[in-house]
Amino acid sequence: QVQLQESGPGLVKPSETLSLSCSVSGGSNSRHYWSWIRQPPGKGLEWIGYIHYSGGTNYNPSLKSRVTISVDTSKNQVSLKLTSVTAADTAVYYCARSGDTGSYYLFDYWGQGTLVTVSS
Amino acid sequence: DIVMTQSPDSLAVSLGERASINCKSSQSVLYSSNNRNYLAWYQQKPGQPPKLLIYWASTRDSGVPDRFSGSGSGTDFTLTISSLQAEDVAVYYCQQYHSTPCTFGQGTKLEIK
Repeated sequence: QVQLQESGPGLVKPSETLSLSCSVSGGSNSRHYWSWIRQPPGKGLEWIGYIHYSGGTNYNPSLKSRVTISVDTSKNQVSLKLTSVTAADTAVYYCARSGDTGSYYLFDYWGQGTLVTVSS
Repeated sequence: DIVMTQSPDSLAVSLGERASINCKSSQSVLYSSNNRNYLAWYQQKPGQPPKLLIYWASTRDSGVPDRFSGSGSGTDFTLTISSLQAEDVAVYYCQQYHSTPCTFGQGTKLEIK
């Protein structure tokens, strides 16, 4: 059974860096890509970017200048860093898996999400 | 970016009745090379992450009840629930994965009348 679990600080100050981790268990192979997706409270979904276990990445152009996604295959962890955060970055952040259904962007497994609030 | 627009924003349907949600993309999500529509539907219940229901516009994901169906092509798509059950109360999102970045509709909230 595939499980994804996000973790990290729930509160980040404006202008600082948001850092989250996603621990993956139960199902990972070379077909899979790992995305971060966020959802502001009461709003819709925004794809942030993905990484392949080989290290290849693709980011949403709207966030590309501030985002870094990395993978530690030895720990089965995917990480997200988002710099220079503002209140607009307040959201539930999800990690999600794709690749089994023939697209980088079809997300068949999701973590439960973690709420990050940007506030001083 | 491709803009996805869903209608209606909210919908109330009686138990056992049909529910239909529409999704329109700002440009076609059909790849002529493989004749596939790069359109998915997700269901999100309160406090839960989204769940993939349908992809390639009409293929149900594993374990999804057959009362859920997807249709449409090009720029216009529909998610239909043939007989609404209480557990179907959720927000439904369409998503295009034809072009990067993938983008989602604003969501349609489905409730029981």
